[in-house]
Amino acid sequence: DTEVTQTPKHLVMGMTNKKSLKCEQHMGHRAMYWYKQKAKKPPELMFVYSYEKLSINESVPSRFSPECPNSSLLNLHLHALQPEDSALYLCASSQDATVWSETQYFGPGTRLLVL
Amino acid sequence: GDSVTQMEGPVTLSEEACLTINCTYTATGYPSLFWYVQYPGEGLQLLLKATKADDKGSNKGFEATYRKETTSFHLEKGSVQVSDSAVYFCALIRGGYQKVTFGTGTKLQVIP
Repeated sequence: DTEVTQTPKHLVMGMTNKKSLKCEQHMGHRAMYWYKQKAKKPPELMFVYSYEKLSINESVPSRFSPECPNSSLLNLHLHALQPEDSALYLCASSQDATVWSETQYFGPGTRLLVL
Repeated sequence: GDSVTQMEGPVTLSEEACLTINCTYTATGYPSLFWYVQYPGEGLQLLLKATKADDKGSNKGFEATYRKETTSFHLEKGSVQVSDSAVYFCALIRGGYQKVTFGTGTKLQVIP
């Protein structure tokens, strides 16, 4: 099983709302990632969790707040977003974040629209 | 810093034509190289990878060879199908915590 699941598939929110994106994997991976992808662009790394600890924050605004409750689950809490935050948010996981040859497995993404 | 350069798209081919999507990279040392594919409305799927020089990755009829001397990882397929229509991303990983450097993506459209 090489599946990473993400919920919801689509999300529409206002700039004053609070919402959360959820990502789950059951492959025993110890590294999980959040990416943001704008239309016709490659994914941009936002956060890396390694062994449930935040290892990389790519200078992401504080209105995005990641959380890793356990090794299988990764959340992204959203608050006071701006319309320019509308994008496809992708979650990925890999066996070990420190091994360059490891494959990252991506979920299908959550398509977010901020009004 | 590290970078990946892909050929500009879109690439439009007839079914059963040969495909080559060029990818070159700039990075010190020996990065791992990947091709990912993204079908419309979906996330990224690993297509193939190579982790050292002269390695050939292959999957579903696609191939790419890690060429250290030319810093390239070109994607090839002998006969494309309509179902291969997607965006293809070349990527590398070098350094701690698997920070992926993606190319800009090449859209492939295969017409019957």
